[in-house]
Amino acid sequence: AQTVTQSQPEMSVQEAETVTLSCTYDTSESDYYLFWYKQPPSRQMILVIRQEAYKQQNATENRFSVNFQKAAKSFSLKISDSQLGDAAMYFCAYRRPTNFGNEKLTFGTGTRLTIIP
Amino acid sequence: SAVISQKPSRDICQRGTSLTIQCQVDSQVTMMFWYRQQPGQSLTLIATANQGSEATYESGFVIDKFPISRPNLTFSTLTVSNMSPEDSSIYLCSVDATEAFFGQGTRLTVV
Repeated sequence: AQTVTQSQPEMSVQEAETVTLSCTYDTSESDYYLFWYKQPPSRQMILVIRQEAYKQQNATENRFSVNFQKAAKSFSLKISDSQLGDAAMYFCAYRRPTNFGNEKLTFGTGTRLTIIP
Repeated sequence: SAVISQKPSRDICQRGTSLTIQCQVDSQVTMMFWYRQQPGQSLTLIATANQGSEATYESGFVIDKFPISRPNLTFSTLTVSNMSPEDSSIYLCSVDATEAFFGQGTRLTVV
C-alpha cells in the first residue's frame, strides 16, 4: 500500500522569505502522480501543484515549485516570497494513474504553515 | 476542471440522528469520492461511488453507518447515520479528472 509522510507538523516563515515543506512517500509503482494541496481555514482543498512521476522536470507554478527526487521518493514544496495568504495546512498526496478518474488520493498528515509578518 | 457544490456547509446535530450531505458536480464524472477529515487530522477516504453500482467502502467504514447514493453522473449523497460525537468531522466530496477537485466541505458537529 502507498503511504505518504510529512515529517513537519508545523512550519513558520517570515513574510517574503522562502520555505520548504517536506514529503516522502512509499510505492512500488513506477508511474504515479504527486500533489500538494493547500487547505486554508475555509476548509476548501486547493491544488497548489502537481507532478507526474514520468516527468523528470520539476513542476513550477509561479511562487511554488517542487523538488521531485524519484529514486529517493521525496517530493518537497518550495514557496518563494511567502505571503500572508499562504498561511494554511499543506497536504502532500499520492495517486496512481487513472484513465477514468477512479483512483483515490492518499494524503500525508499535513504541515501547518504560519507566515510571520 | 470541475466545480463542485457541497451542502450543507456546516451543521450541528443531536446524537442518534442522521445527516445527509449532498454533492453536485457541474459535469459528468465516473467516480465520486467521499473523505472524512477528523479534527486536526488528514483526509481519509470513506468510499468511492460509481453511478449505477454500490459504493466501495474503505476498511473501517461500513454502508450501514455511511450509506451513499449515486443516482446519476453529476450527483451523490453521503449520509452519516446514528451519529455520535466521534462523527464530528469535516466531510468532503471529490471528483477526479487530471487532478482531484473538492467540494467546500461540510463541518459536522455532533452534540
